[in-house]
Amino acid sequence: DAMVIQNPRYQVTQFGKPVTLSCSQTLNHNVMYWYQQKSSQAPKLLFHYYDKDFNNEADTPDNFQSRRPNTSFCFLDIRSPGLGDAAMYLCATSRETGSYEQYFGPGTRLTVT
Amino acid sequence: GEDVEQSLFLSVREGDSSVINCTYTDSSSTYLYWYKQEPGAGLQLLTYIFSNMDMKQDQRLTVLLNKKDKHLSLRIADTQTGDSAIYFCAEKSGGSYIPTFGRGTSLIVHP
Repeated sequence: DAMVIQNPRYQVTQFGKPVTLSCSQTLNHNVMYWYQQKSSQAPKLLFHYYDKDFNNEADTPDNFQSRRPNTSFCFLDIRSPGLGDAAMYLCATSRETGSYEQYFGPGTRLTVT
Repeated sequence: GEDVEQSLFLSVREGDSSVINCTYTDSSSTYLYWYKQEPGAGLQLLTYIFSNMDMKQDQRLTVLLNKKDKHLSLRIADTQTGDSAIYFCAEKSGGSYIPTFGRGTSLIVHP
């Protein structure tokens, strides 16, 4: 059974046209993360939610925003996508205690034309 | 800041053992992880080891930790073509729930 679900799996958007990626989880984990991954690179953390508390990484551009309306759902909004924002976007969850291993969704491949 | 280093590529023959190495710099690491990423997919946790352990074995996977040298390795016995993927090492230090990932090692298994 899918535990971390991302929709859509592939998204094509135009330069400058806002786009929203979604993530949902059935694990009831209180921490949710958004990563950007480009080819041959490590996943780069954009931000994460600890319950309702939003934590932005210092180098995440203002162009990237996130919303978490409830425990299960988290959204990544890219206000004005540029060509450099084309990447795989990975959502992950974890518990706040214990080994903290992360459970990843399958990712959304974003193409900017 | 913390740093995690891995070699980028490893090529092995089917049936041989694969050893993927990782070094890290944070001496306060408490958990160390190995994730597998197949093409076009997310990361899948393979195994993790707590920092007070030297070794962990799980079927074909053996993780060795040398805490003194800050060196972690993943050994895959009897490597199969289905093991071809990118393997990420990650570490998490005490007091944080944000892991630091390496760049990943691309394992290529050929007949």
